Amino acid sequence: DADVTQTPRNRITKTGKRIMLECSQTKGHDRMYWYRQDPGLGLRLIYYSFDVKDINKGEISDGYSVSRQAQAKFSLSLESAIPNQTALYFCATLGTGEGTGELFFGEGSRLTVL
Amino acid sequence: KNQVEQSPQSLIILEGKNCTLQCNYTVSPFSNLRWYKQDTGRGPVSLTIMTFSENTKSNGRYTATLDADTKQSSLHITASQLSDSASYICVVSSGDNFNKFYFGSGTKLNVKP
Repeated sequence: DADVTQTPRNRITKTGKRIMLECSQTKGHDRMYWYRQDPGLGLRLIYYSFDVKDINKGEISDGYSVSRQAQAKFSLSLESAIPNQTALYFCATLGTGEGTGELFFGEGSRLTVL
Repeated sequence: KNQVEQSPQSLIILEGKNCTLQCNYTVSPFSNLRWYKQDTGRGPVSLTIMTFSENTKSNGRYTATLDADTKQSSLHITASQLSDSASYICVVSSGDNFNKFYFGSGTKLNVKP
């Protein structure tokens, strides 16, 4: 099984619908992140969390919200989806062992908003 | 402004040939630099890490270099294989305890038979 699991892997929805993308991890890492990837652009940070009680906005948080239900679970919600939120979304955890700061990514959730 | 720029945007090479991908950054303070490989439809996976004091590091057919003075890094792929077809992303971390990451937009490599 993957260390960082995202569901769903693909989703097509309509404008105005509420969507939740879920992420779970077995790495035991405290830090979790949600990124968005668009063609020709680098990964952009939406939200991040350093532990269960901690939620922080990233550079493009408008239109999104998150919930850190447990150390292992971090979900991303789009309250009212719009077409320009069509993108590939990645959840990641951060390993800080040996001071190297490696990000471990899930397989991605492809969201299409019609 | 903290930025990471990669070149070329895309590259096509024949199987067996070598290639070099470039990453220039303006991130400060610098913690480390990683190269990630992202296969189509998959999440990025770390290939190498370069810290401030390292100039060269190899991982099989992948060799990364870092010039901290000019703020440039390169990823050299030797004897390319079809499985090397992927996007390669340069990521620079900054700040104490990896507080920030800056992503390049990636180089899409296509290895043809």
